[in-house]
Amino acid sequence: GNSVTQMEGPVTLSEEAFLTINCTYTATGYPSLFWYVQYPGEGLQLLLKATKADDKGSNKGFEATYRKETTSFHLEKGSVQVSDSAVYFCALRGSNYQLIWGAGTKLIIKP
Amino acid sequence: KAGVTQTPRYLIKTRGQQVTLSCSPISGHRSVSWYQQTPGQGLQFLFEYFSETQRNKGNFPGRFSGRQFSNSRSEMNVSTLELGDSALYLCASSLGDRSSTNEKLFFGSGTQLSVL
Repeated sequence: GNSVTQMEGPVTLSEEAFLTINCTYTATGYPSLFWYVQYPGEGLQLLLKATKADDKGSNKGFEATYRKETTSFHLEKGSVQVSDSAVYFCALRGSNYQLIWGAGTKLIIKP
Repeated sequence: KAGVTQTPRYLIKTRGQQVTLSCSPISGHRSVSWYQQTPGQGLQFLFEYFSETQRNKGNFPGRFSGRQFSNSRSEMNVSTLELGDSALYLCASSLGDRSSTNEKLFFGSGTQLSVL
């Protein structure tokens, strides 16, 4: 079945550091890939998405590229801010339309 | 436009009781899906309702059930509560368009259920 694996956290960085959160997936066919973010005390929000191979999703300075050859969708940001502290979830949706989630990565940004 | 509203925000129940959670989707959205979030298991899909019909179902026991009303509001029910049912229950709404798999979901803030 479909599955998503993302790096364990917490990830602790200083402000303005470069961020990478790894995400790899297993799926049949061509799923859509997503990054959702959960700020403390809030529900999940879509951060970015990509639909097909080599698509790049981007939002709020975050980027992720759909890599079919490596089955990956790593999240990157060039310069993180304290306000980026949150839990980040990688997810996929395949032909059965169920969202399959990674375990989540807690990001802590220190000033 | 109002967002997805879940009530109540917090619930405390004891083992063996039953509980009903409510979710009001964004106006115009016809699909409501439910997820269970726990520290150990992460986020798991429970079920999805579209136009009052269950359209998709995850791997949860029959104690977990739901329904959707004609105004798209949805309720989730858990009967015979167990300690392991303690979790944050999230609902999400969307238009329910299945022409692609990349439709955005809009999430509520969740109901935190504690089973004692």
